[in-house]
Amino acid sequence: KAGVTQTPRYLIKTRGQQVTLSCSPISGHRSVSWYQQTPGQGLQFLFEYFSETQRNKGNFPGRFSGRQFSNSRSEMNVSTLELGDSALYLCASSSQGAKYEQYFGPGTRLTVT
Amino acid sequence: KQEVTQIPAALSVPEGENLVLNCSFTDSAIYNLQWFRQDPGKGLTSLLLIQSSQREQTSGRLNASLDKSSGRSTLYIAASQPGDSATYLCAVREVETSGSRLTFGEGTQLTVNP
Repeated sequence: KAGVTQTPRYLIKTRGQQVTLSCSPISGHRSVSWYQQTPGQGLQFLFEYFSETQRNKGNFPGRFSGRQFSNSRSEMNVSTLELGDSALYLCASSSQGAKYEQYFGPGTRLTVT
Repeated sequence: KQEVTQIPAALSVPEGENLVLNCSFTDSAIYNLQWFRQDPGKGLTSLLLIQSSQREQTSGRLNASLDKSSGRSTLYIAASQPGDSATYLCAVREVETSGSRLTFGEGTQLTVNP
């Protein structure tokens, strides 16, 4: 089975722009979660989608949004980028429910200048 | 609010040594605990998943234990190798009214010297 894939792998944007990141989960997985990793804050939960519905949301401003499509692929969007949004954005998928193992993708490295 | 702490923050050992990484969490209402490995600039690789009803899990040279009542988990690595050098993260899967989330510790950066 192919693993979790994320595109693009690297991205450089300017402050004030917006960005869309994409995640394709493992085939058959319906739950997709997004995390932000920075040296100062570590790994922080952004949101979780299950069957096209946002099931849980972390403590991030409204500039961070996401969605999930019928094929379970997910996108996250960050509008009005700030320098502090520079981070590694990781996507994880699991088959269903909380008891199942989370599998992570390689991440998208976003640099905001 | 769930908090996860990992001790030590960094560890340097000679090849062949057995070692223990520690993880503690403040709220015992968890579904499971997962140990990950992260190489520099890369994503996370799942090592072991322990359900809240289990006491331990083993995979090869790795053994993870869970004591939910005391909020502790350990990852034991036997006969360490230079290829084990990486950052090790533990994460708890919380139970919430809608969905669930992983709460991560800050990680232990392990260096195994040849």
